Amino acid sequence: NAGVTQTPKFQVLKTGQSMTLQCAQDMNHEYMSWYRQDPGMGLRLIHYSVGAGITDQGEVPNGYNVSRSTTEDFPLRLLSAAPSQTSVYFCASRDWNYGYTFGSGTRLTVV
Amino acid sequence: GENVEQHPSTLSVQEGDSAVIKCTYSDSASNYFPWYKQELGKRPQLIIDIRSNVGEKKDQRIAVTLNKTAKHFSLHITETQPEDSAVYFCAAVITNDYKLSFGAGTTVTVRA
Repeated sequence: NAGVTQTPKFQVLKTGQSMTLQCAQDMNHEYMSWYRQDPGMGLRLIHYSVGAGITDQGEVPNGYNVSRSTTEDFPLRLLSAAPSQTSVYFCASRDWNYGYTFGSGTRLTVV
Repeated sequence: GENVEQHPSTLSVQEGDSAVIKCTYSDSASNYFPWYKQELGKRPQLIIDIRSNVGEKKDQRIAVTLNKTAKHFSLHITETQPEDSAVYFCAAVITNDYKLSFGAGTTVTVRA
């Protein structure tokens, strides 16, 4: 049982490039979500999903895209990277009893 | 949506003293309030949580209190130790919702 697995752990992008942050969980959780963490601002919700085929926007969705084709995977796509997207990204899933499990994070730098 | 405010943003305490962090929430429909500890470069880790039908919960040196009327909840750490130094986040979840709304965090430093 690996929990929530995020890849890559570190990434440097140039402005305008696109990339996909991967998130996978093996706990059969229906709910998955993506957060970004910036200094002094806590964790802010980007997008979330309550099951395969169902996604919705969170607090800061602009510039990001998601899809959920399987229960296990919830990738986050940056369409055209900007320096303002430099951040640490966490994926999290939740069980039926409010148990949230976080991935180890992806540190993204956009230059 | 839910709005969670957290104070103070930084807290420095002498080893052995107590630390208190306070949070307020905006939506009276919130029913789950977890606290997370995050060490440098690591993921947030749940340290304690409380549900809206409980006023207080304790786990060894850590306790959380909830005042639903005032819509605030607090984390209490007693007999602080150097390993308690970290960033602490409060959060809230609205009933029948899934989204976890975080406070901005408190950086706790325990001085030896």
